[in-house]
Amino acid sequence: DGGITQSPKYLFRKEGQNVTLSCEQNLNHDAMYWYRQDPGQGLRLIYYSQIVNDFQKGDIAEGYSVSREKKESFPLTVTSAQKNPTAFYLCASRTGQNSNQPQHFGDGTRLSIL
Amino acid sequence: DAKTTQPPSMDCAEGRAANLPCNHSTISGNEYVYWYRQIHSQGPQYIIHGLKNNETNEMASLIITEDRKSSTLILPHATLRDTAVYYCIVSSQRNDMRFGAGTRLTVKP
Repeated sequence: DGGITQSPKYLFRKEGQNVTLSCEQNLNHDAMYWYRQDPGQGLRLIYYSQIVNDFQKGDIAEGYSVSREKKESFPLTVTSAQKNPTAFYLCASRTGQNSNQPQHFGDGTRLSIL
Repeated sequence: DAKTTQPPSMDCAEGRAANLPCNHSTISGNEYVYWYRQIHSQGPQYIIHGLKNNETNEMASLIITEDRKSSTLILPHATLRDTAVYYCIVSSQRNDMRFGAGTRLTVKP
């Protein structure tokens, strides 16, 4: 099946530890996105990438890092500099070149602090 | 980027049409209106989108006013499984999605 796979579904982080969230898509989409969602809130953009080897900061990039070495993969690292990392993290992708195409989302990773 | 305004919550009886409004009075000429929904602990699901004409697919209909300052998502025969948070979004120049708090739709038996 074509789609977006996020792993793991649940993740726990110790204080001062970096963790990496995986996002893989087999939709041949150029653009990929990472969002954070806090309880009862909408989604906030962390980072996005329109093409391989290029990415841009979103609205809340501090404490996060990304890479885009392959078209199908866009991992997100939550660093120890992110002081409030507990949230639901969502990855999305879209074709990228045509601005009217919708984004498609994965099922998310829920990150908690131990 | 255009912002959207949605009521925080709505109820609908099972089997009846659910009409979810959205205001986007600052939308620009080349921006599309998108609708997504999110069931608890899942990723948002794309429903429908449009520019200025009304659109219909197997899930819903989208009615956009002539001045494009507001729109309505219509679920023609709501079921209990349609209970979710519904987001109305206007596309941005950066091609990201600016999600607000959405409308929590509760379908009641």
